[in-house]
Amino acid sequence: AQSVTQLDSQVPVFEEAPVELRCNYSSSVSVYLFWYVQYPNQGLQLLLKYLSGSTLVKGINGFEAEFNKSQTSFHLRKPSVHISDTAEYFCAVSVGGGFKTIFGAGTRLFVKA
Amino acid sequence: EADIYQTPRYLVIGTGKKITLECSQTMGHDKMYWYQQDPGMELHLIHYSYGVNSTEKGDLSSESTVSRIRTEHFPLTLESARPSHTSQYLCASSVGQRGTYEQYFGPGTRLTVT
Repeated sequence: AQSVTQLDSQVPVFEEAPVELRCNYSSSVSVYLFWYVQYPNQGLQLLLKYLSGSTLVKGINGFEAEFNKSQTSFHLRKPSVHISDTAEYFCAVSVGGGFKTIFGAGTRLFVKA
Repeated sequence: EADIYQTPRYLVIGTGKKITLECSQTMGHDKMYWYQQDPGMELHLIHYSYGVNSTEKGDLSSESTVSRIRTEHFPLTLESARPSHTSQYLCASSVGQRGTYEQYFGPGTRLTVT
């Protein structure tokens, strides 16, 4: 069965510092990978996705993620965070051939001034 | 702008009441989903729909039911609310080839059953 593990439940970081949010998945078949962001009192919105091709994926708001098949990871990075990046971030995987998506438990990013 | 709507946003209701959470999307997406979200937990899929007149139960056991009579509308009903139903409910929709679906989410309904 597929699963998604987000290794940090909370990540505090100072404004303008770099950040990495870690995500590992388990699947024996090809997968499609996503990062979503949820701001307070809102639904989730897509940050970026990996379907195929280049393993470095760029998304909105300056975020990027790298797909590492050998380590089954899809970590999210941003070189310099802003206060407005404070939100919950969800890693997700869907398996080729189906359209159900498995979500991780989320990582709360808290950016401090 | 195409969007996905949920009403009500917040609901406090007593045990035993019947409730319907509304979800509508204007994007013409054929796939729709209901998730339950609790703090610090994965989103749990409780229902999904391939299209009109097609609904399936998700991975999380739920006492709710859904219907899909129109493409744009996917309401979720609880016949008899219980305190264990207290949670945030997220509706989503998607379109695309198998496995590549990105999902578009509504703002959620926060339900409290007293």
